[in-house]
Amino acid sequence: DTEVTQTPKHLVMGMTNKKSLKCEQHMGHRAMYWYKQKAKKPPELMFVYSYEKLSINESVPSRFSPECPNSSLLNLHLHALQPEDSALYLCASSQDRGPGNTIYFGEGSWLTVV
Amino acid sequence: AQKITQTQPGMFVQEKEAVTLDCTYDTSDPSYGLFWYKQPSSGEMIFLIYQGSYDQQNATEGRYSLNFQKARKSANLVISASQLGDSAMYFCAMREGEDSSYKLIFGSGTRLLVRP
Repeated sequence: DTEVTQTPKHLVMGMTNKKSLKCEQHMGHRAMYWYKQKAKKPPELMFVYSYEKLSINESVPSRFSPECPNSSLLNLHLHALQPEDSALYLCASSQDRGPGNTIYFGEGSWLTVV
Repeated sequence: AQKITQTQPGMFVQEKEAVTLDCTYDTSDPSYGLFWYKQPSSGEMIFLIYQGSYDQQNATEGRYSLNFQKARKSANLVISASQLGDSAMYFCAMREGEDSSYKLIFGSGTRLLVRP
């Protein structure tokens, strides 16, 4: 079983809605990630938080807003999304940066924007 | 240039047989890590195995082993005794040295189908 838990598993939202994806890990990891994955493609990095501070924003549109309330939690706030934002959103964590640190993923949140 | 190349978009294997999924990588960094992940249709990305660039021996985890050929820059995943539950997408990935080491570079993936 994954030690990175994501909620909700499935989300359908309208283009004017505001919703949030939530992620939690209890492995004591200091780095947390959001990835977006479209069908038949590898995941694409969106954001990285390290020690609860935003370290990387891969030029993600402002309609996606990340938040790291504490070292175990990571949220992704969604507002005014477009249908092309429909995708699998994966949360992940790792002990730290560095090539020897494995990134562990959650089960993902399937998002559909209508 | 592609940093991780998986040349097999799809593969079939008979149940109980072994299968090799190919992965080549490109980096000039002496310090890097290579990872394989499994992604079933449910979406979860499951970590399978890790190989460090300085590791002298090939990594093994149960039925998974990584055939690491550093000079050829290849890191092929070998799955022994395939099971129906092994049917999934498999991604090879790399983390390079300290400067950009938050990032995980993925290959395009190989879809494996295990036949009964």
